[in-house]
Parts: sequence; structure tokens; C-alpha cells
Amino acid sequence: GDSVTQMEGPVTLSEEAFLTINCTYTATGYPSLFWYVQYPGEGLQLLLKATKADDKGSNKGFEATYRKETTSFHLEKGSVQVSDSAVYFCALSEKGSGYSTLTFGKGTMLLVSP
Amino acid sequence: GAGVSQTPSNKVTEKGKYVELRCDPISGHTALYWYRQSLGQGPEFLIYFQGTGAADDSGLPNDRFFAVRPEGSVSTLKIQRTERGDSAVYLCASGTGEAGELFFGEGSRLTVL
Repeated sequence: GDSVTQMEGPVTLSEEAFLTINCTYTATGYPSLFWYVQYPGEGLQLLLKATKADDKGSNKGFEATYRKETTSFHLEKGSVQVSDSAVYFCALSEKGSGYSTLTFGKGTMLLVSP
Repeated sequence: GAGVSQTPSNKVTEKGKYVELRCDPISGHTALYWYRQSLGQGPEFLIYFQGTGAADDSGLPNDRFFAVRPEGSVSTLKIQRTERGDSAVYLCASGTGEAGELFFGEGSRLTVL
């Protein structure tokens, strides 16, 4: 079945550092890929998405590129802020089902210190 | 409010009791999902509604779990004869049908003693 593997956290960085959170996936078809973020005390929010190979999703300074050859969708940000501290979830959704049964990774906690 | 609302935010119950968790989706969203998140894990799919009908209930772990959405809006997740292993955060999400773009509530944390 489909699965998503993320790097374990917590990831601890100083403000303005470069961020990478690795995500790889296993899927039978050609899924859409997503990053969701959960800020403390809030619900999960869609951060960015990519629907086909070589697509780049971007939002709030975060980027991720859909790499079919390496089955990866790594999240990057050039300069993190304290306000980026949250739990980040990589997820996939198989196309063709007509709806979105997302398969999530376990999540990676990011802690950014001033 | 404009977001997905879930009640209660916290529920503590005893083993063997019956529990109901409520979800009020974003107005106009026809798709509604229930997920379960255990400590240190990502959310796991339970059930999907399109309108009033359960289009996919393949994630429900056993027949103690049941969900309804009688009028195509509010949904209730029902758990009978709760067990300690049911302790988790139960997440509700709604969407318009665009693949993967779901709007999540803050969840209902269930603790079974």
C-alpha cells in the first residue's frame, strides 16, 4: 500500500538557518503530494502541494519539488523564523479515486530559536 | 466560525463506555473526512462522506466505530464499548473535492481510562 516516510524530529534550528525536511513516498500510481503544517494549538493546514512530476509547490517561503525519479518531496526554506516552529506532515493522495484519502507521514517537529 | 468545528475538544471516559464526537464542517463543503491520530503518528484515515452517504469506510478499525452525517452537514463519530487503545485525537476535515486540499478541525482528544 501507499506510504510516506519523513525524517524524525525534532529538528532544532536557529532563526535564519536553512531548513530541509526529507520526505519519500511509496505509491502504486502517480499521486499528488502535499505538505501540511500544524502550529501549536491549531488544526492541520495545507502548506503547499504538487500534482505531477517536476512540479514545485511553494508558499510562505517554503518550497518542495515533486521528484518522481527519487520518489521524494523534500521541504525547504532558506531562512526560518521562530514563527515557523510547528509540526510538518508530508502526505500523498492517489489520483483517480475522485476524492482525497490522504496518507500521512508521522510528522516532523521543527523548533526554531531566536 | 468559518472553520471546521469539533466538539468536545477533550473527552475522558471509562473503558466500556459509549462516546460521540461531533464535527461541524465548513459551510458548503460536501466532502467530510474523519481521521485518527495517535501519539507520535500521522493522521490515519477512518471514513469519508460525500453528502449524506459514507462513500468509503475502509479505515474504520472494527464494528465498534460508526459515523453518520444525516443531513449532509454535521457528522457524528460514534464509538461503542470503548477500549484503552481507542485513546487518540480524532480529527475531522472537510473539503470541496479538490484532491488533497482538506480543512481540518483542531480535533477531539479522547482518553479511555
